[in-house]
Amino acid sequence: ETGVTQSPTHLIKTRGQQVTLRCSSQSGHNTVSWYQQALGQGPQFIFQYYREEENGRGNFPPRFSGLQFPNYSSELNVNALELDDSALYLCASSFWNSYGYTFGSGTRLTVV
Amino acid sequence: AQKVTQAQTEISVVEKEDVTLDCVYETRDTTYYLFWYKQPPSGELVFLIRRNSFDEQNEISGRYSWNFQKSTSSFNFTITASQVVDSAVYFCALSKYNNNDMRFGAGTRLTVKP
Repeated sequence: ETGVTQSPTHLIKTRGQQVTLRCSSQSGHNTVSWYQQALGQGPQFIFQYYREEENGRGNFPPRFSGLQFPNYSSELNVNALELDDSALYLCASSFWNSYGYTFGSGTRLTVV
Repeated sequence: AQKVTQAQTEISVVEKEDVTLDCVYETRDTTYYLFWYKQPPSGELVFLIRRNSFDEQNEISGRYSWNFQKSTSSFNFTITASQVVDSAVYFCALSKYNNNDMRFGAGTRLTVKP
């Protein structure tokens, strides 16, 4: 059973650019959630996708958007990058309301 | 609004000591889930436990135990006979019953010294 895989592991972007982060969910999981974790803080919920539709969103602006594909993998897109977007982005998958999330190792995004 | 408070920012203990990590939560929901996760330096969050709001039984898993008290809105985590490998940041989290929008505390960094 494979876990959650995120790519890339590290990324450096310039302010104003756009970025796409990718996540492959664990086998058997149909729900993907994205979290942003700034240095020294707890993860913050960005949004969740279930059956290819957004199923809840945290307090993040519209320039944060996502997709879920038929194979349940997911993308997080961030437009017009700001310096404060520098963080570890974590993807988590689950089978809807099942026991718990499985997290990936994250993508560390640095905006310069 | 949902909120999780982990008042202990950092804890340092010597190996074999017992240590308790505190977690206090706020929610208006009557049904919800509580979680504990471990985050080692590699970055991934490792799931430790999930508790639903109807189950106030304490749980023990090896050296780990959890004390859920609805009356004080607390869900504390105790590591018995700590080991160096327990060094990590530990997060307490709260989610709605539909498993959506998990809210994390700020985390407690535990350092276990040999």
